[in-house]
Amino acid sequence: ETGVTQSPTHLIKTRGQQVTLRCSSQSGHNTVSWYQQALGQGPQFIFQYYREEENGRGNFPPRFSGLQFPNYSSELNVNALELDDSALYLCASSLPGRNTEAFFGQGTRLTVV
Amino acid sequence: DQQVKQNSPSLSVQEGRISILNCDYTNSMFDYFLWYKKYPAEGPTFLISISSIKDKNEDGRFTVFLNKSAKHLSLHIVPSQPGDSAVYFCAASQISSGSARQLTFGSGTQLTVLP
Repeated sequence: ETGVTQSPTHLIKTRGQQVTLRCSSQSGHNTVSWYQQALGQGPQFIFQYYREEENGRGNFPPRFSGLQFPNYSSELNVNALELDDSALYLCASSLPGRNTEAFFGQGTRLTVV
Repeated sequence: DQQVKQNSPSLSVQEGRISILNCDYTNSMFDYFLWYKKYPAEGPTFLISISSIKDKNEDGRFTVFLNKSAKHLSLHIVPSQPGDSAVYFCAASQISSGSARQLTFGSGTQLTVLP
């Protein structure tokens, strides 16, 4: 059984560009959530996907969008990158009916210059 | 507006002694609380959780206590080991918009266990 994997691990983008981050959920986990962790802070909820639909969103602007695929993997897309988008982006997956406990990937470190 | 607060950014403890990490919350809608441990260059790892209807949950060396009236929870690690040195995040869970269950995290406490 493989855990949650994210790609790439590190990324540098220029302000105004667009970025796509990818996540493969743990085997059998049908719910995927994305979090942003700025330096020195705890992770902040961006949104959650279940059965390929967004079913919850935190306080993030619409330029943060996502997708979930039939195999439960997911993408996070960020348009019009800003310097403040520099952060660690974490993907978490959870078991059906057990989404109180989320299992995290190692994260993608995004730097916007 | 921080709904989950960890007021101690760091804690140092001698090996073999007890580590106590604290967390306060403000939102009464939280119904589940979790602790995660994070090593550098890794994602958070789930450690232990507690439902809001309980006041204690124990798993080996780790015990979480919940005081709902004070909106306070704590994680006890006994005995502490050098491998426990990591950042510990307190998280609170609730059903948010739609049907999503989201986690709200504190800012973390860096635990250092000294040999």
